[in-house]
Amino acid sequence: DAGVTQSPTHLIKTRGQQVTLRCSPKSGHDTVSWYQQALGQGPQFIFQYYEEEERQRGNFPDRFSGHQFPNYSSELNVNALLLGDSALYLCASSLAPQGYTFGSGTRLTVV
Amino acid sequence: AQKVTQAQTEISVVEKEDVTLDCVYETRDTTYYLFWYKQPPSGELVFLIRRNSFDEQNEISGRYSWNFQKSTSSFNFTITASQVVDSAVYFCALSEAGANNLFFGTGTRLTVIP
Repeated sequence: DAGVTQSPTHLIKTRGQQVTLRCSPKSGHDTVSWYQQALGQGPQFIFQYYEEEERQRGNFPDRFSGHQFPNYSSELNVNALLLGDSALYLCASSLAPQGYTFGSGTRLTVV
Repeated sequence: AQKVTQAQTEISVVEKEDVTLDCVYETRDTTYYLFWYKQPPSGELVFLIRRNSFDEQNEISGRYSWNFQKSTSSFNFTITASQVVDSAVYFCALSEAGANNLFFGTGTRLTVIP
């Protein structure tokens, strides 16, 4: 049974560019959450998608947006990249009331 | 406001020693959930335990044990007879009832020396 799959695993972008990260949830899970983990820090909640709608959002600017597809997979888009956006982006899927299953993340470097 | 404090940034132990990772939390909710996750170098967060605020029983799973004390707002994690494979960053996290997110501490990096 495949867990959460994220792509790509690593990515280098230039400041000002846009990036799209992808996540396929664990089989049977219908909810996807995205987290940003800066180096040496704990993950911070960006937003959560359920039934193709953003259900909750953390303290992140509008440059961060997302989408959930009918097959429950999800994308995270970041516009106008800043150097400070360099981080590990983690996707987590869940099916209430079970806990969260995390992927291995996408390492984004902005230069 | 919610807060999770993991005061130990880094811990090193020699293999077979016991080690306890501390977690102190703050929340105004009476219903909440506490978690521990392990993050190996691969980056994936591996779920270890979830405990709800109404269950203060300590739990043991193999070499792992957890001590939940609401009186001190602590949820500490002990590894008995540590092994090199236990080397990782460990995160404590809090989720309030009705919220759809986890609030993480800053993590404790554990290094087990052979």
